[in-house]
Amino acid sequence: KAGVTQTPRYLIKTRGQQVTLSCSPISGHRSVSWYQQTPGQGLQFLFEYFSETQRNKGNFPGRFSGRQFSNSRSEMNVSTLELGDSALYLCASSLGTGGMTGYTFGSGTRLTVV
Amino acid sequence: DAKTTQPPSMDCAEGRAANLPCNHSTISGNEYVYWYRQIHSQGPQYIIHGLKNNETNEMASLIITEDRKSSTLILPHATLRDTAVYYCIVVPYSGAGSYQLTFGKGTKLSVIP
Repeated sequence: KAGVTQTPRYLIKTRGQQVTLSCSPISGHRSVSWYQQTPGQGLQFLFEYFSETQRNKGNFPGRFSGRQFSNSRSEMNVSTLELGDSALYLCASSLGTGGMTGYTFGSGTRLTVV
Repeated sequence: DAKTTQPPSMDCAEGRAANLPCNHSTISGNEYVYWYRQIHSQGPQYIIHGLKNNETNEMASLIITEDRKSSTLILPHATLRDTAVYYCIVVPYSGAGSYQLTFGKGTKLSVIP
């Protein structure tokens, strides 16, 4: 079955712009989480969505936001981009209903802010 | 802060077992131990998880000590494709199926021909 799909794979933006990243989870998965990975901070949790509702949120400024659609696809948005937002953004999906099943990650979107 | 301690790097000869240790001395009774790995330029890959019993799947085995303060991930026959950063993560149980992963720096495993 198809894995977690993230688009685009690469993106270059200018400081001050905004960006929207997309994530399509595995079919049947209702939970989508987002992570940021940088060389300095490693992998950090951004937020998690389940059934179109944000269920969990990490410690990131309000410039980082997300949403989930009825088909479980999710988008994350970063407004007023800063150089420090350059990172690999990873999306992960899971069934999200009870139990402790593992997350399946996508290959990520590499964002470069210039 | 990550609640686990792992060696920064390890080497393993191809075909031999790779034993990756993890210390989680402050683990609570309702916290699971998860292992993920990340091959260069890819997203992390789920390997295995456990609570207190040893676990085995097609990828690896997880050995958790009786006091649950440490665990070992075993890759029985390491191949070059197992070269990756391995993360040991402690996760509190969530009946709703919602939890966040707090990644530390992991162990860089290099499988040597």
